[in-house]
Amino acid sequence: NAGVTQTPKFQVLKTGQSMTLQCAQDMNHNSMYWYRQDPGMGLRLIYYSASEGTTDKGEVPNGYNVSRLNKREFSLRLESAAPSQTSVYFCASSDMRVDGYTFGSGTRLTVV
Amino acid sequence: QKEVEQNSGPLSVPEGAIASLNCTYSDRGSQSFFWYRQYSGKSPELIMFIYSNGDKEDGRFTAQLNKASQYVSLLIRDSQPSDSATYLCAVTNRDDKIIFGKGTRLHILP
Repeated sequence: NAGVTQTPKFQVLKTGQSMTLQCAQDMNHNSMYWYRQDPGMGLRLIYYSASEGTTDKGEVPNGYNVSRLNKREFSLRLESAAPSQTSVYFCASSDMRVDGYTFGSGTRLTVV
Repeated sequence: QKEVEQNSGPLSVPEGAIASLNCTYSDRGSQSFFWYRQYSGKSPELIMFIYSNGDKEDGRFTAQLNKASQYVSLLIRDSQPSDSATYLCAVTNRDDKIIFGKGTRLHILP
């Protein structure tokens, strides 16, 4: 049972380039989330999807877009990367919020 | 702004002693409370959750909740070097989102 799988694990982008971070879960969870984690800032919610077909903005959505492709997959797109988007990105999923989240292994993104 | 506050540490505890990690939250409507452990370079891992006032024990870990004081704590008994990590407190608020604290770094001294 893989849980939550994120790809890629590492990525270096030049300013202005675009990329999509992929996330897939095999736990049949309804809700999926994208967070970024920066030193001293903790985990900050970028976007979330409470169920298939719905997406909502979190605390720091600017510069990002998301797609809930199906129940399993939730992707995060950077259309024009900026150095301020250098961070570690985590995808997470949950069945019920009261049970907490299961996190993927993360993507370490550097924008130069 | 709904917040979850933790002391950033580092908190240094001798091996075999009790480590006590604390967290306060601002939203009185919060219903669910979580503790995550995060090793350096790894993703957060859920280790405890608590919904009701009082204590909840799981092995060497005890979560304590006091809703009146808006206070959550995590006790780790018989601390081991493998417990050295950052511990994240997380709270589900009345908007039904999980808010994370910035974490407390714990260092167990051999």
